[in-house]
Amino acid sequence: RKEVEQDPGPFNVPEGATVAFNCTYSNSASQSFFWYRQDCRKEPKLLMSVYSSGNEDGRFTAQLNRASQYISLLIRDSKLSDSATYLCVVNWGTGGFKTIFGAGTRLFVKA
Amino acid sequence: DTGVSQDPRHKITKRGQNVTFRCDPISEHNRLYWYRQTLGQGPEFLTYFQNEAQLEKSRLLSDRFSAERPKGSFSTLEIQRTEQGDSAMYLCASSFGGGDGVTEAFFGQGTRLTVV
Repeated sequence: RKEVEQDPGPFNVPEGATVAFNCTYSNSASQSFFWYRQDCRKEPKLLMSVYSSGNEDGRFTAQLNRASQYISLLIRDSKLSDSATYLCVVNWGTGGFKTIFGAGTRLFVKA
Repeated sequence: DTGVSQDPRHKITKRGQNVTFRCDPISEHNRLYWYRQTLGQGPEFLTYFQNEAQLEKSRLLSDRFSAERPKGSFSTLEIQRTEQGDSAMYLCASSFGGGDGVTEAFFGQGTRLTVV
């Protein structure tokens, strides 16, 4: 089993749609969680951190379920510019910290 | 430019040659990571430094790969006797961390390696 798993997609949605991605992780000792966005042939960039209580940033909502070991990202009112690959990131370790990326979920938003 | 910078941006090399990549992290960041990314995959962890200490190496990092961060600032990743399977984007990232806290990692634009 991979340490961090995501549905690779692609998700093809029309503008204005709501879309959700899940990400599961295998290490119950995981300590912090992020969603990154990666545009084609560009480096990953932080989209948002994921907090235990859930958090929202505009049209984006992130949630963490420690019991089931998954995190989610919800995008509301999707825009053409949201088309990208969304990478789930999980950190664990003490002393030496390990940052593991999922393979990413591709999203295409169409007019 | 105060972001993470990587050099070179592109490298084409013949199989069997050695290559070395450089990463200059954000100056106040004590943590530095190397990742490898192939088409359609997320970044795969290779190795991680806290200051000058290399704290973890992935099993993906074979004996042909070596990374250093001699003064806790810039880092180099060397691949010896390159193979076609080494062709990938090599990404460097840095972050600031203390104790078990982890802040956002910032990535460089990567070095794209093509082994012919």
